[in-house]
Amino acid sequence: AQKVTQAQTEISVVEKEDVTLDCVYETRDTTYYLFWYKQPPSGELVFLIRRNSFDEQNEISGRYSWNFQKSTSSFNFTITASQVVDSAVYFCALSEWRANSKLTFGKGITLSVRP
Amino acid sequence: EAGVAQSPRYKIIEKRQSVAFWCNPISGHATLYWYQQILGQGPKLLIQFQNNGVVDDSQLPKDRFSAERLKGVDSTLKIQPAKLEDSAVYLCASSYQVMGGTWFFGPGTRLTVL
Repeated sequence: AQKVTQAQTEISVVEKEDVTLDCVYETRDTTYYLFWYKQPPSGELVFLIRRNSFDEQNEISGRYSWNFQKSTSSFNFTITASQVVDSAVYFCALSEWRANSKLTFGKGITLSVRP
Repeated sequence: EAGVAQSPRYKIIEKRQSVAFWCNPISGHATLYWYQQILGQGPKLLIQFQNNGVVDDSQLPKDRFSAERLKGVDSTLKIQPAKLEDSAVYLCASSYQVMGGTWFFGPGTRLTVL
């Protein structure tokens, strides 16, 4: 069975602070995908990144960076120099790499960035 | 490329009434999913279609929920009769790959049952 744990429920930071959102996952599969989605107040889930389990290279995209560590089953997300527009709920998710795979979500982290 | 379309965006009904939601996936995406997201929780899969066939409906409360994707394109999710606990956002997603892939989500339908 798959499981995604986002232990932090709410984080509040002041604009320009760096913030890291934690994600720990469980799976019996050796090959899988990890995702981060952003859900702003409008409600739509916005895809941010997909990472394959066999690629442990960290990734940076602008102010966003992701740290994937297979040894600790973690896929953490860091926002550098946070902005008010980053305020949203962030979900980590996991899927198997096989036919008819399912996407399992964590409970989400509510990030509030104050001006 | 157009995203996943859903309608209506908002719906308010009284308990025991019926309601239907519509979803049109991204063109060419064979796999379509319906998720239920209760306030404060992550989305939970209700049903998964591959073309017009059901792959997984193990989490669908079949006594009141039904879904179809007759021509393998758009899909309808129905609740009949609705209960208070059905108040949630109903998200539709589509994916282009059979072996994993990336899920693209629609804007969701926010259902309030009074």
